[in-house]
Amino acid sequence: GAVVSQHPSWVICKSGTSVKIECRSLDFQATTMFWYRQFPKQSLMLMATSNEGSKATYEQGVEKDKFLINHASLTLSTLTVTSAHPEDSSFYICSARGQGFQPQHFGDGTRLSIL
Amino acid sequence: KQEVTQIPAALSVPEGENLVLNCSFTDSAIYNLQWFRQDPGKGLTSLLLIQSSQREQTSGRLNASLDKSSGRSTLYIAASQPGDSATYLCAVPIQGGSEKLVFGKGTKLTVNP
Repeated sequence: GAVVSQHPSWVICKSGTSVKIECRSLDFQATTMFWYRQFPKQSLMLMATSNEGSKATYEQGVEKDKFLINHASLTLSTLTVTSAHPEDSSFYICSARGQGFQPQHFGDGTRLSIL
Repeated sequence: KQEVTQIPAALSVPEGENLVLNCSFTDSAIYNLQWFRQDPGKGLTSLLLIQSSQREQTSGRLNASLDKSSGRSTLYIAASQPGDSATYLCAVPIQGGSEKLVFGKGTKLTVNP
């Protein structure tokens, strides 16, 4: 149980393109979803927290207009990297948590490469 | 500000060896600590979750200990196997029981056949 699916797993696109990443909880209702970014040989850094039906809360230093997060339902959150540039190339991982004191369950990540 | 440090950054051992991975954190006022496994290019798999009231947690060949007062945790892997090769990450709440986690950079483990 507690499966989180992330799509796509890998995307390569040209600079200036907007890229959407989906995160779905397959067998539970995710009241809260988290988006992380991981650079090579670095730790996961929390970018934002989203609760279903409300605006995401972004961590300090993360541009909310650059990284648009939509948590439209209890099973789906999306991260859109707008006008992506090479410095946005990274590994993006989502996690989802059910109601109450539930642990986070992680997706398999999306490797984003901007040329 | 919560910071998590993991030592060593990389470890290579022969199959069958017992090993210990270390994690330290700066703010000891945490409610829990987690150990995760990350395979190359993949997401995270939760291995063990230790509550602050616990000192140890075991799952199969894995044993995690927590010493809140000293801000340390260890992950002990018994009788290591090549399939244990992965990066092991330690994570604690940013403070208290916060849902926001702070991760270490991980220890990359290689178990040689």
